[in-house]
Amino acid sequence: DGGITQSPKYLFRKEGQNVTLSCEQNLNHDAMYWYRQDPGQGLRLIYYSQIVNDFQKGDIAEGYSVSREKKESFPLTVTSAQKNPTAFYLCASSRVQGDYEQYFGPGTRLTVT
Amino acid sequence: GENVEQHPSTLSVQEGDSAVIKCTYSDSASNYFPWYKQELGKGPQLIIDIRSNVGEKKDQRIAVTLNKTAKHFSLHITETQPEDSAVYFCAASAYNQGGKLIFGQGTELSVKP
Repeated sequence: DGGITQSPKYLFRKEGQNVTLSCEQNLNHDAMYWYRQDPGQGLRLIYYSQIVNDFQKGDIAEGYSVSREKKESFPLTVTSAQKNPTAFYLCASSRVQGDYEQYFGPGTRLTVT
Repeated sequence: GENVEQHPSTLSVQEGDSAVIKCTYSDSASNYFPWYKQELGKGPQLIIDIRSNVGEKKDQRIAVTLNKTAKHFSLHITETQPEDSAVYFCAASAYNQGGKLIFGQGTELSVKP
């Protein structure tokens, strides 16, 4: 059963703690992406990676960090420097760089209090 | 950079009627325009896309049209059904931007039985 998995579905943290969101894909896709979605808004790009061991900042990278040590995995860390971390986080992947069709995971809803 | 505007933000139709959602983009280099459907608490699902060398594309009850001169594209859903109720997002991407998708703000479609 191929696809993108994100875990956990719901995550709760106290303010000041770092938290890491998991994203795994078994589609053999080269490119992976992290988006943030706030209520009533579109998706905003946080980070993306076109190949293993390489990644670029998106439009709202401040307060976030990523790694891409394996093709299948692209974890996102929300650091304590992120001022408004409560949001719905979506991971996506596409076959290769410049191949536009992006497929999304089910998302992780992070709540920080 | 690219900016995508989407209208309307909410749309309510009777079952069986047609629904039209419109998007405009700003970057003339954009050449790929996908549409995503997002159900509550889930990740977006690609439903149809169009590239700039095509003016119209159909897939059963859904169609997308593109007017490159006016820089706008639209999603048309005919014979709407209650299961079409969801949030729909348009997006635009330019190849010279590494395939990054810029999303519209979303349209919440409600189909009343």
